[in-house]
Amino acid sequence: EVQLVESGGGLVQPGGSLRLSCAASGFTFSSYSMNWVRQAPGKGLEWVSYISSSSSTIYYADSVKGRFTISRDNAKNSLYLQMNSLRAEDTAVYYCARDRRYPDGDAFDIWGQGTMVTVSS
Amino acid sequence: SYVLTQPPSVSVAPGKTARITCGGNNIGSKSVHWYQQKPGQAPVLVVYDDSDRPSGIPERFSGSNSGNTATLTISRVEAGDEADYYCQVWDSSSDHYVFGTGTKVTVL
Repeated sequence: EVQLVESGGGLVQPGGSLRLSCAASGFTFSSYSMNWVRQAPGKGLEWVSYISSSSSTIYYADSVKGRFTISRDNAKNSLYLQMNSLRAEDTAVYYCARDRRYPDGDAFDIWGQGTMVTVSS
Repeated sequence: SYVLTQPPSVSVAPGKTARITCGGNNIGSKSVHWYQQKPGQAPVLVVYDDSDRPSGIPERFSGSNSGNTATLTISRVEAGDEADYYCQVWDSSSDHYVFGTGTKVTVL
């Protein structure tokens, strides 16, 4: 079964750090680009970051650039998001999502169940 | 930055047709994808590349894209279609993915 499982969420104080992980199974992880997407409580989806299959290309949303770092370990079938200088507005459910290339564009065809990050004192 | 605008809510009676719009500047030149998200669950891809369906998605879900508006159409709406729906594109000018504001579909 194709699956993504996030972990690492929790409660952290403003200015603190947290590292999220996403474990992939059921597909050849090293062949796919990956993304992080977040959703604040009661709000819509917000794309956070993208990493290509070989880690050669990385993009960030303006809201997290300079504070978050995406990475992957293809040998461990794992995706990561290092989050530093956390702010209250970073409070959200964080999803990892597989980036699948379709004929005309890339879409997120597999999603994890999400992990909650709460930034509060 | 590129902005995608959706109506906050759409209401539809069972068996009728729901149409959800996604407005963006010259969106017709982009490939649009649509996601369904039910409460407490992760999003699910229901339409990719404007109008194609992943395997397992009912034919009742269809899409179109032209000019400044993309549309997700749900035919013969069922109670189980009640969910939030989001459009998405890739903005090549900023190298960012962009999600629409989201539309809550209520089945009356």
